[in-house]
Amino acid sequence: QSVLTQPPSVSGAPGQRVTISCTGNNSNIGAGYDVHWYQQVPGTAPKLLIYANNNRPSGVPDRFSGSRSGTSASLAITGLRSEDEADYCCQSYDSDLSAAIFGGGTKLTVL
Amino acid sequence: QLQLQESGPGLVKPSETLSLTCSVSGGSISSRSYYWGWIRQPPGKGLEWIGTIYYSGSTYHNPSLRSRLTISVDTANNQFSLRLTSVTAADTAVYYCARVGGNWGYWYFDLWGRGALVTVSS
Repeated sequence: QSVLTQPPSVSGAPGQRVTISCTGNNSNIGAGYDVHWYQQVPGTAPKLLIYANNNRPSGVPDRFSGSRSGTSASLAITGLRSEDEADYCCQSYDSDLSAAIFGGGTKLTVL
Repeated sequence: QLQLQESGPGLVKPSETLSLTCSVSGGSISSRSYYWGWIRQPPGKGLEWIGTIYYSGSTYHNPSLRSRLTISVDTANNQFSLRLTSVTAADTAVYYCARVGGNWGYWYFDLWGRGALVTVSS
């Protein structure tokens, strides 16, 4: 299983706010390594959503935000829309593994 | 704008070598601001980092694949490549190439190719 732990699924109604957690340990997030987030619509390539914990690439709506604290990080999505339905994955670096690492992914369902 | 495109065989026999190339267009692979990487995703599973290369040829490999992995860069043709030897069914995945931002240990993958499905089967 993944070193970074995410809930398998989350859901919310249009307009609501949802958060997705990403839990690591002291060799990755807790060691101060940045957390990045990706959105992946099934059948397509991942898209960078948040980089370096809380930075949005150009073109990503400000409805998406990231945070990091201790050994965990979170992605928040406000004003949920049907087009937000996708898989979301966190990524960081692990010093014990000497590798970039990904979470297992969370499927977001917009009810 | 910069685009990446994976190419290579979609079917590889067990014990043989998987080879893929990523062609970069709309920008130079020799940019000092970026690295270039490979990531894979087995069907129905999560993403796995394979390795990263700089235009100078410096490489960083996932230790779990290091003994079977070669990543190289061809700046003249603006492309980089992946070779994975002694493949098994566990290597069946969609293989993505990506542009890598940030510094070592703080990498993120900011632009991705569409991906190439490679199936290992006899």
